[in-house]
Amino acid sequence: QSALTQPASVSGSPGQSITISCTGTSSDVGGYNLVSWYRQHPGKAPKVIIYEVNKRPSGISNRFSGSKSGNTASLTISGLQAEDEADYYCCSYAGIITPVLFGGGTKLTVL
Amino acid sequence: QVQLVESGGGVVQPGRSLRLSCAASGFNFSNYAMHWVRQAPGKGLEWVTLISFHGSHEYYADSVKGRFTISRDDSKNTLYLQMNSLRTEDTALYYCAKDFAIFGVAPPDSWGQGTLVTVSS
Repeated sequence: QSALTQPASVSGSPGQSITISCTGTSSDVGGYNLVSWYRQHPGKAPKVIIYEVNKRPSGISNRFSGSKSGNTASLTISGLQAEDEADYYCCSYAGIITPVLFGGGTKLTVL
Repeated sequence: QVQLVESGGGVVQPGRSLRLSCAASGFNFSNYAMHWVRQAPGKGLEWVTLISFHGSHEYYADSVKGRFTISRDDSKNTLYLQMNSLRTEDTALYYCAKDFAIFGVAPPDSWGQGTLVTVSS
């Protein structure tokens, strides 16, 4: 199975909202409500910010929200802050052959 | 608080072997599937392998199938990755990660800090 498709980069100004898409197939993103999103700052380990499509772990700001339509999941960050500048990855359960797929990652630049 | 600490990385020649370990604490280790995920320098995350809770099932990415073996010792709360026939393209930071779902399989929710494997002659 191929990796999930994300845009290589997105950008926005402080206070604005941005959305990052994650496109898969009916065998992964579209077939299960098991999509997670991670934020990774340079030199740091990934940190989960969304799980099960639209749920936030404890301690994660409500500026982060997730959704899904068909085979595409989306991460929206509202009220952009400088600290949001990082790499973002989506990940989906993909069945019993290759259980987990990651997206290629999206670099978010806060202008 | 979940804690995952990887060890065992280093520099190794192509064709040689290396064994990574991941010491887990802060959760009931035996109830969760565990993953290894790697990140080549400057690249994205690549899922490598997963072992189900209690170790009954293993899954591998095509890129490592037949060369890498995942295992776990629930009595020691430790995850392992045996890497054989290493290639230069296996050079990466290897993360140990805890599955989100208890008694199931899902994307990871907690990550270690990683251990670096460099395959070079």
